[in-house]
Amino acid sequence: DAGITQSPRHKVTETGTPVTLRCHQTENHRYMYWYRQDPGHGLRLIHYSYGVKDTDKGEVSDGYSVSRSKTEDFLLTLESATSSQTSVYFCAISETTGQVGPTNNEQFFGPGTRLTVL
Amino acid sequence: AQSVTQLGSHVSVSEGALVLLRCNYSSSVPPYLFWYVQYPNQGLQLLLKYTTGATLVKGINGFEAEFKKSETSFHLTKPSAHMSDAAEYFCAVSGGGFKTIFGAGTRLFVKA
Repeated sequence: DAGITQSPRHKVTETGTPVTLRCHQTENHRYMYWYRQDPGHGLRLIHYSYGVKDTDKGEVSDGYSVSRSKTEDFLLTLESATSSQTSVYFCAISETTGQVGPTNNEQFFGPGTRLTVL
Repeated sequence: AQSVTQLGSHVSVSEGALVLLRCNYSSSVPPYLFWYVQYPNQGLQLLLKYTTGATLVKGINGFEAEFKKSETSFHLTKPSAHMSDAAEYFCAVSGGGFKTIFGAGTRLFVKA
């Protein structure tokens, strides 16, 4: 199994509070991703990182920010949590090989964080 | 731009029967196609992928998928279902770059 951990695994919080989710990898992969999983929507990309301090927005980035100060850690922050952000959050990593780009290779997923915003 | 449609949010088969999970995609560039499986309370793991070359792709646990460009399809099959195949399956497409588009998922039930 790829060395990816997420913390916390479960969290219940109240509307308006800040929340930070952590993804930690031991694979030294360059690319890291945050997804949210909701019934009927599959996985949707929130933010991604293509290197230390290099991040960009995905398709559902409103209300979320990220930071990557080290190769192994990718943090997702909800500045002021809302009930619509209740979801399961997955971190993923990937790497390029030869001329094959990051998402043309397999992505390895963490175990997920279940977040409930009351 | 890419998109993925998985036909059927739930599929139920008997143990030993054929498994067929349908996936259609659209892509403005040559696609890279994936099937992932998710067991309860776990992350996704790769079953198989199509990049280039042979259009029939074999994956883990006896699954295979065929890339049909003319039909823009990448259906997942397994000749004989096992109880341990019960899970949720996601089809995904990438056109390169940083973004992979996932389908909504199909939950597979296997009846004894």
